Amino acid sequence: EDQVTQSPEALRLQEGESSSLNCSYTVSGLRGLFWYRQDPGKGPEFLFTLYSAGEEKEKERLKATLTKKESFLHITAPKPEDSATYLCAVQAYSGGGADGLTFGKGTHLIIQP
Amino acid sequence: AAGVIQSPRHLIKEKRETATLKCYPIPRHDTVYWYQQGPGQDPQFLISFYEKMQSDKGSIPDRFSAQQFSDYHSELNMSSLELGDSALYFCASSDRTADWAFFGQGTRLTVV
Repeated sequence: EDQVTQSPEALRLQEGESSSLNCSYTVSGLRGLFWYRQDPGKGPEFLFTLYSAGEEKEKERLKATLTKKESFLHITAPKPEDSATYLCAVQAYSGGGADGLTFGKGTHLIIQP
Repeated sequence: AAGVIQSPRHLIKEKRETATLKCYPIPRHDTVYWYQQGPGQDPQFLISFYEKMQSDKGSIPDRFSAQQFSDYHSELNMSSLELGDSALYFCASSDRTADWAFFGQGTRLTVV
């Protein structure tokens, strides 16, 4: 069974204070690892997909990295508008496509001005 | 840009009633996914469709059924509703050229 564990559960940072969120995963053949951002009461918003160990992707203040067992979401000099829950999810490779994602429970990030 | 449209946005039902949630994917997207997110929980995958055929099945209760129609919209039918079915239900869509899915704003179902 695919499993995703995110840590910490919650993180409070000062504006400009950089940090990293962790996502550890167990999956039978990784097709892709996904990072989403979710604001309260809204649908998850896609951030990144990573496919293989060593891959890195960046978007504004966010950078996602991937190893064979975990992924990190690095946030550099965050701003209050970066406050949200960050969800990590994996998709196993079954060859059939359209497979559902297994999500972690998320990291609730609060950036204080 | 067009997004995934879900209706209704809010729905209140009594126990043992039925509910139908609708999802209109982004134009030209052929794949639809349904997720259930309980309060403070992560989204749980229910079921997916590709080209109107069921593609993958997750933790969807037997009381629920879903289908994708010829215009690619999808409906999630929920019967014999229970209090524990109260949750946000998200639909997401994608096309086969992209591995990520775009999520709708969700339908908040409250069972009383």
